[in-house]
Amino acid sequence: SQTIHQWPATLVQPVGSPLSLECTVEGTSNPNLYWYRQAAGRGLQLLFYSVGIGQISSEVPQNLSASRPQDRQFILSSKKLLLSDSGFYLCAWNREGRNSPLHFGNGTRLTVT
Amino acid sequence: AQTVTQSQPEMSVQEAETVTLSCTYDTSESDYYLFWYKQPPSRQMILVIRQEAYKQQNATENRFSVNFQKAAKSFSLKISDSQLGDAAMYFCAYRTLRNRDDKIIFGKGTRLHILP
Repeated sequence: SQTIHQWPATLVQPVGSPLSLECTVEGTSNPNLYWYRQAAGRGLQLLFYSVGIGQISSEVPQNLSASRPQDRQFILSSKKLLLSDSGFYLCAWNREGRNSPLHFGNGTRLTVT
Repeated sequence: AQTVTQSQPEMSVQEAETVTLSCTYDTSESDYYLFWYKQPPSRQMILVIRQEAYKQQNATENRFSVNFQKAAKSFSLKISDSQLGDAAMYFCAYRTLRNRDDKIIFGKGTRLHILP
């Protein structure tokens, strides 16, 4: 069966520090991968998605970036965090087929101080 | 660009009653997929129900059903016989399938309270 791992579960970082959140999927190949951010009152905001290795689409231009160094690995990064980067970050995957739902990780609670 | 709108930030329903959560979306595409997800206090995202745009029949999963009106671009979720465990944030989501632009967009969510 497929599983998705996302870490860390919680993170407190000072403004201006770097960020690296990692997500890996097991039990499937060539998944579509997604990073979402959930902030109060804004629902789930799509940040990045990837349909293959090295293919990253950005939905929200900001100081975050994403990379997919391996087929089942998706990394969210920042060189310098802002206060506004605080939120709950969710990684998710699905298959290319039309009826494939999203499967989510457990999320990372990021607090920028 | 596609957008998803959930106009009810919060709703309450008496236990055992029926409640309908609304969702509308904006798209120029004819082929897409729609989903409802539930996020309980644990914050784990759980798929509730899904609907294919080219299917006219409304999807049903036990106590959960949808009213899909393609022309009106409306996708509401009906929860029958509400239970305390249904208390959660509910998100409507739209999946585009055009030209490998395979992204899924969510609404802002509706927080559902179940009154005992």
